[in-house]
Amino acid sequence: KAGVTQTPRYLIKTRGQQVTLSCSPISGHRSVSWYQQTPGQGLQFLFEYFSETQRNKGNFPGRFSGRQFSNSRSEMNVSTLELGDSALYLCASSSQGAYEQYFGPGTRLTVT
Amino acid sequence: DAKTTQPTSMDCAEGRAANLPCNHSTISGNEYVYWYRQIHSQGPQYIIHGLKNNETNEMASLIITEDRKSSTLILPHATLRDTAVYYCIVRVHNTGTASKLTFGTGTRLQVTL
Repeated sequence: KAGVTQTPRYLIKTRGQQVTLSCSPISGHRSVSWYQQTPGQGLQFLFEYFSETQRNKGNFPGRFSGRQFSNSRSEMNVSTLELGDSALYLCASSSQGAYEQYFGPGTRLTVT
Repeated sequence: DAKTTQPTSMDCAEGRAANLPCNHSTISGNEYVYWYRQIHSQGPQYIIHGLKNNETNEMASLIITEDRKSSTLILPHATLRDTAVYYCIVRVHNTGTASKLTFGTGTRLQVTL
């Protein structure tokens, strides 16, 4: 079974631009969560989607948004990029009721 | 979710057992202990979880004290590939709601020759 995939793996953007990151969960997993990892703040929860509905959201500004499609693939969008948005963005998927989450390799975003 | 306390870093010789402690003195009765690890530049990897009984799988063993206020993750024969940051997370297991994980700073385990 293929693991969680994230595209692109690396991205360089300029301040003020917007970016869209993609995540394909493990086949059969309907829950997709997004996390941001920075050296200063560590791993922080962004939001979670289940069956195309956002069911939990972390403490991030409205510039961070996401969605999930009917095939469970998910995208997250960051608008009006700031230097502080430079981070590793991780996606995790899980099946309903499962204890474990499976993480993808992440997208490393650099904002200049 | 209960707060956890872990040592910042630990060293272990290859082939020896690595014992990683975690303190979770405010854990509630329905909260599980989870362990994840993150190898450099990769996504976190689930290792094991437990409620009150000791657990073992192909990766590690989890020992939870009787009062559940602390636990130890044991890697029985550490290898260089086990060098990673290990996160202890305590949370309720929700079967139908959010899967949010709250990561602390973890323990950086360095396995050496």
